[in-house]
Amino acid sequence: GESVGLHLPTLSVQEGDNSIINCAYSNSASDYFIWYKQESGKGPQFIIDIRSNMDKRQGQRVTVLLNKTVKHLSLQIAATQPGDSAVYFCAENKGNQGGKLIFGQGTELSVKP
Amino acid sequence: SAVISQKPSRDICQRGTSLTIQCQVDSQVTMMFWYRQQPGQSLTLIATANQGSEATYESGFVIDKFPISRPNLTFSTLTVSNMSPEDSSIYLCSVTKTGADGYTFGSGTRLTVV
Repeated sequence: GESVGLHLPTLSVQEGDNSIINCAYSNSASDYFIWYKQESGKGPQFIIDIRSNMDKRQGQRVTVLLNKTVKHLSLQIAATQPGDSAVYFCAENKGNQGGKLIFGQGTELSVKP
Repeated sequence: SAVISQKPSRDICQRGTSLTIQCQVDSQVTMMFWYRQQPGQSLTLIATANQGSEATYESGFVIDKFPISRPNLTFSTLTVSNMSPEDSSIYLCSVTKTGADGYTFGSGTRLTVV
């Protein structure tokens, strides 16, 4: 079936290093993608989004890259901090599917001081 | 972005009983959704809550088990009926105003069925 999945379930990085979290999606009709951060005991928190007519978008310390050719999405976090430790999810919105979001598996990011 | 109040934040329930979870938004939103997140897992969409009509359920979820109400553009409820330990999960409400402007999530309801 259609799915959004992640290449790496866990990622451990040193404080100050850059982090890259990857995500693959299977539906070429998806036109809107979002990255979420979820800390323990909390709901997902919006980080950054990107539409299918773009291939890159930057926020504060975060960059999302979209490669529609290979249906791949990545989240880059610059100068990773201990407060970045959380589970990160990618989600896709299929524009003709009533606006619902489908979530990927999730990657747990652990930042070592 | 919209602010969501989800209640209760957690509950421990006896098997065979039902629990109703409330989602209150501080502004009118077009779309409201209910998700389930089992321990250590990703989010799975249960249904889209439609204002003034029956919810649209995803495969594997049925109205008898998860009845949903949405009487207006700022409020929805999800009931988990005839609970079993397998229903122990976090249940999350999500809203969006346009479907292309970011989706906001509530803090979730952590349900434990004993």
